[in-house]
Amino acid sequence: EGQLVESGGGFVKPGGSLRLSCAASGIAFSNSWMTWVRQAPGKGLEWVGRIKSKIDGGTTDYAAPVKGRFAISRDDSKTMLYLQMNSLKIEDTGVYYCTTDDWEYGLDVWGQGTTVTVSS
Amino acid sequence: DIVMTQTPLSLSVAPGQPASISCKSSQSLLNSDGETSLYWYLQRPGQPPQLLIYEVSNRFSGVPDRFSGSGSGTYFTLKISRVEAEDVGVFYCMQRKQQYSFGQGTKLEI
Repeated sequence: EGQLVESGGGFVKPGGSLRLSCAASGIAFSNSWMTWVRQAPGKGLEWVGRIKSKIDGGTTDYAAPVKGRFAISRDDSKTMLYLQMNSLKIEDTGVYYCTTDDWEYGLDVWGQGTTVTVSS
Repeated sequence: DIVMTQTPLSLSVAPGQPASISCKSSQSLLNSDGETSLYWYLQRPGQPPQLLIYEVSNRFSGVPDRFSGSGSGTYFTLKISRVEAEDVGVFYCMQRKQQYSFGQGTKLEI
């Protein structure tokens, strides 16, 4: 059974940077599209961005609020997914989940999430 | 952008009773391949979301058959035939036709 474990969350001041990691196991990671979803405190789910598998081009796509500030990357040799977050804003505060993105099932495997707090 | 609108935003249901949640999209979610990119998730308190239904009406592995999805085009419904205590949480619909977007969530209480 697939497992995703996020790490790297923490406290950061506005304008700062943070890199989140997601360790994958039990899945065909190199063939998987991967997605980040976030959830502000007490709010709903918000899609952050997606990276395709390298065999499908390895391209990325981002939600408008994070485009130009966030970057998703992957290391298939380590089965790791990353989210580099720059120029952080208070409204980026929340729990960040990594998920697999199956062509049929959608976002089918989720990690437990890692918490990012942006505050002065 | 495709906007997803759920109703109601909250509902309280007695155990054993049915429940229904609606989800409307601002554009048709029908793809050129004939599939419809509409999914349902349940987020239990303190837990990450879990997939219930994919492509409108298909139950994901391990999901009880009391959950069912239906709809087409821009209007979709999630039904629970008999609510159980473990169903407490927030239900979200999600579209994946044009990037991804979620409904606001529907909180189910027992």
